[in-house]
Amino acid sequence: GENVEQHPSTLSVQEGDSAVIKCTYSDSASNYFPWYKQELGKRPQLIIDIRSNVGEKKDQRIAVTLNKTAKHFSLHITETQPEDSAVYFCAASGSSASKIIFGSGTRLSIRP
Amino acid sequence: GAVVSQHPSRVICKSGTSVKIECRSLDFQATTMFWYRQFPKKSLMLMATSNEGSKATYEQGVEKDKFLINHASLTLSTLTVTSAHPEDSSFYICSARDNGASWGNSPLHFGNGTRLTVT
Repeated sequence: GENVEQHPSTLSVQEGDSAVIKCTYSDSASNYFPWYKQELGKRPQLIIDIRSNVGEKKDQRIAVTLNKTAKHFSLHITETQPEDSAVYFCAASGSSASKIIFGSGTRLSIRP
Repeated sequence: GAVVSQHPSRVICKSGTSVKIECRSLDFQATTMFWYRQFPKKSLMLMATSNEGSKATYEQGVEKDKFLINHASLTLSTLTVTSAHPEDSSFYICSARDNGASWGNSPLHFGNGTRLTVT
């Protein structure tokens, strides 16, 4: 089955700087890669997603890149703000059924 | 936007009792719903895939007799934790995909989660 690895587990950046979170996946048939943001005690919220037919997608300060050959994808947050502090999960949708497998999460802290 | 309602948000029960958690898609139909479990500061672990009108598909290591799943309609799935024990204490989150979206290629919509504490 699909296996998703995520790094780093924790990340601290100065407000205004950029943050990058990286993930790799194992199933070459995976074709959908969402990113979720989870604040303490709350549900995960979809922040951006990318499908396998594109290499990059951007939404304001957030961008995601996908390298299908290498089977890795990354989340980029620019001009970070205090409200960006949260846990971020990458995920991949494998070839079996439509289940989504999550990475281990990255706790992002923005220093004022 | 698509809304998933999950109840209860918090429950405390005694060891040996059973607890039922409901997951409803409010403004879309979902043939398939997913149940995740999340330990503190950990990732979302997929427990099972709930299929409307048929048996759920459980992930390896998840006891189907312990975690009973029923998906009787296109908008409701339930998870029952049977004979709960303290080690079952966790955060349980349901999610669903909109039937109207591209199959296997659409986002999950999550419920608010249920924090279960077994004493």
